[in-house]
Amino acid sequence: ENVLTQSPGTLSLSPGQRATLSCRASQSVSSSYLAWYQQKPGQAPRLLIYAASSRATGIPDRFSGSGSGTDFTLTISRLEPEDFAVYFCQQCGSSPWTFGQGTKVEIK
Amino acid sequence: EVQLVESGGGLVQPGGSLRLSCVASGFTFSSYSMNWLRQAPGKALEWVSFITSSSSSIYYADSVKGRFTISRDNAKNSLYLQMNSLRDDDTAVYYCAKKGVVAAAGNYIDYWGQGTLVTVSS
Repeated sequence: ENVLTQSPGTLSLSPGQRATLSCRASQSVSSSYLAWYQQKPGQAPRLLIYAASSRATGIPDRFSGSGSGTDFTLTISRLEPEDFAVYFCQQCGSSPWTFGQGTKVEIK
Repeated sequence: EVQLVESGGGLVQPGGSLRLSCVASGFTFSSYSMNWLRQAPGKALEWVSFITSSSSSIYYADSVKGRFTISRDNAKNSLYLQMNSLRDDDTAVYYCAKKGVVAAAGNYIDYWGQGTLVTVSS
């Protein structure tokens, strides 16, 4: 099983600041097979990024994904109030499809 | 508009059974692979099971293998999860989820249902 470790666990930032979230895999992941999701309290997750760097439909361009191999990054260029949430990465390549434990982006 | 509506959750005793259903609309259900995922309170997401469009391939997480059965009825645009021998650690919100449209990007999820809560407790 490919274990995904996200860091930091919590990121305390102010609106307008840049957020950089990390996702590290225990085994190499093809860059085609890494996705990012946003989840707000009481809601289902929402797809942000697939194939490591492709934005999903309707996702603003302040969200970007990058990385390869075992290290991937989600960057939010300028935090908007609605961006404060929990973010999960997922390896989508082979079963069992695994998720990181999440990074909470909170208002400082 | 894609919609996935789960039902069937509730309170069940350890060792009991429950059947979850998910009705899909807004897309050609018979053309897409589907998943069940779950999220225990305050915890990370966990993939549970996957089924291809024609039901020809099915996968389970080790944690549910032998206890849970995924199935679908394309004529009814419906996905199911039969859960037997339920344990306390199966307590979670269960999500019905559609595999993304870009085949080369693997089993990512482009649409999620709102979830249904399963509580296993005596």
